[in-house]
Amino acid sequence: EVQLVESGGDLAQPGGSLRLSCAASGFDINSYAMSWVRQAPGEGLEWVSTIIGGGDKTFYADSVKGRFTISRDNSNNIVSLQIDNLRAEDSAIYYCAKAQSPTLWVPAFDYWGQGTLVSVSS
Amino acid sequence: DVQMTQSPPALSASVGDTVTITCRASQGIGRWLAWYQQRPGKAPKLLIYKASTLETGVPSRFSGSGSGAEFTLTISNLQPEDSATYFCQQFETAPLSFGGGTKVQI
Repeated sequence: EVQLVESGGDLAQPGGSLRLSCAASGFDINSYAMSWVRQAPGEGLEWVSTIIGGGDKTFYADSVKGRFTISRDNSNNIVSLQIDNLRAEDSAIYYCAKAQSPTLWVPAFDYWGQGTLVSVSS
Repeated sequence: DVQMTQSPPALSASVGDTVTITCRASQGIGRWLAWYQQRPGKAPKLLIYKASTLETGVPSRFSGSGSGAEFTLTISNLQPEDSATYFCQQFETAPLSFGGGTKVQI
C-alpha cells in the first residue's frame, strides 16, 4: 500500500528556516517524480517543487525559487523540502505528492500525504 | 504559464442531481488534465486523469470530458459524500497549475 507521511511543519519566524520531510512507503521514490504542493488556509492548491525520478533534476515555482530546495534520500525513501528565508505568504499546508506516471516530469498526482502545516509569524 | 479557470466557484445541489463543473485553460493542453476531490480537512484525491480516464476505485457517477482548452467534470446521481471542493489541474506544460476550485454543497 502506498503511503506518504509528511512531518516538519511548525510555527516559524519570518526569515527563518524549516525542513519538511515526506516518508514514502509502498513504492520506490526513485522511480517517480515527487512533488510538494501547498495550500494556504481557505485557498486553492499551488504547486511548489518537483524532483524527477532516477535523477537529480529539480523544478521550482517562481515564488519559491532561490529559497526552497527539494531533495531525495533514496536509501530511506524520503523526500525533503528545505525552506529558507521564510515569508508570511509561505504559511500553508504542505502536501507531498507522488506522480501518477513514472515517465512524466510534469505529472498528475495519484497519492498525497496528509499534509504538514507551516505557519510564519513573528 | 498556463492559467486554469474553473466555474462556477460554488454550487448547491440535491441528492440525485447531476452537476457539471467547467475548467478552461488559457492555452491548449490537449487532454493533459486531471480532476481532484478535496473533502474538508483532507488531502486532494485523484478522480480523473487525461481528461476522461477514471482513477481506479472512483465511482462511475464521476465522468470527465473535453480537450484542448475546455473541460468538464460531471457528477451524476449526486450523493451526500460528494460534498467537497473539486480542482482541475493541467499537466501538459511546466509549471503545472491548478484551477481555483469549485465547492459543491449538497
